[in-house]
Amino acid sequence: KQEVTQIPAALSVPEGENLVLNCSFTDSAIYNLQWFRQDPGKGLTSLLLIQSSQREQTSGRLNASLDKSSGRSTLYIAASQPGDSATYLCAVPPWGAMEYGNKLVFGAGTILRVKS
Amino acid sequence: DAGITQSPRHKVTETGTPVTLRCHQTENHRYMYWYRQDPGHGLRLIHYSYGVKDTDKGEVSDGYSVSRSKTEDFLLTLESATSSQTSVYFCAISEGDRINSPLHFGNGTRLTVT
Repeated sequence: KQEVTQIPAALSVPEGENLVLNCSFTDSAIYNLQWFRQDPGKGLTSLLLIQSSQREQTSGRLNASLDKSSGRSTLYIAASQPGDSATYLCAVPPWGAMEYGNKLVFGAGTILRVKS
Repeated sequence: DAGITQSPRHKVTETGTPVTLRCHQTENHRYMYWYRQDPGHGLRLIHYSYGVKDTDKGEVSDGYSVSRSKTEDFLLTLESATSSQTSVYFCAISEGDRINSPLHFGNGTRLTVT
């Protein structure tokens, strides 16, 4: 059974700092890995999707890397801003999920606070 | 927000009563999902649908049923609500059946069972 763990559970940093969020998964036979952002009282917004054949994806100040063999992904946020404050979740499809749809197994998330 | 409306946004109900949550989409996407989010657990899949009247169970389906009579609506029913079903419920949709089809989420329904 695929399990996803995120460390740290919470992180507080001063504005401008570069930071790394970690995600680990138990079954390395994944099709992709996704990073989401969740603002308080809101749903999830997809940030980055890394295919299993890729090692990283970039979007603006965000860079996500994937190391399937070690079961790890990192989300790097450069020059953090107060607007980056949110919960960040990673997710992978469960093993054998080639049937219908895009079912995902989520980590519990990292709560990020960027102080101005 | 990708044309997904969840109703109600908040609900308080008593143990043992039936509860129905509604997810409505305007995107005409084939796939719809119900997740619940609890502290320390992330999101867990309850049920999903791959078409009208086509549904299947997710990881935590016990105590829940779903129905999809129209493409745009996906209903989640708690047959007899229990305190363990206090949670935030999210509906999500995806366009295709590919494993990489992006998921779009609604803003959630906060359910409290007293």
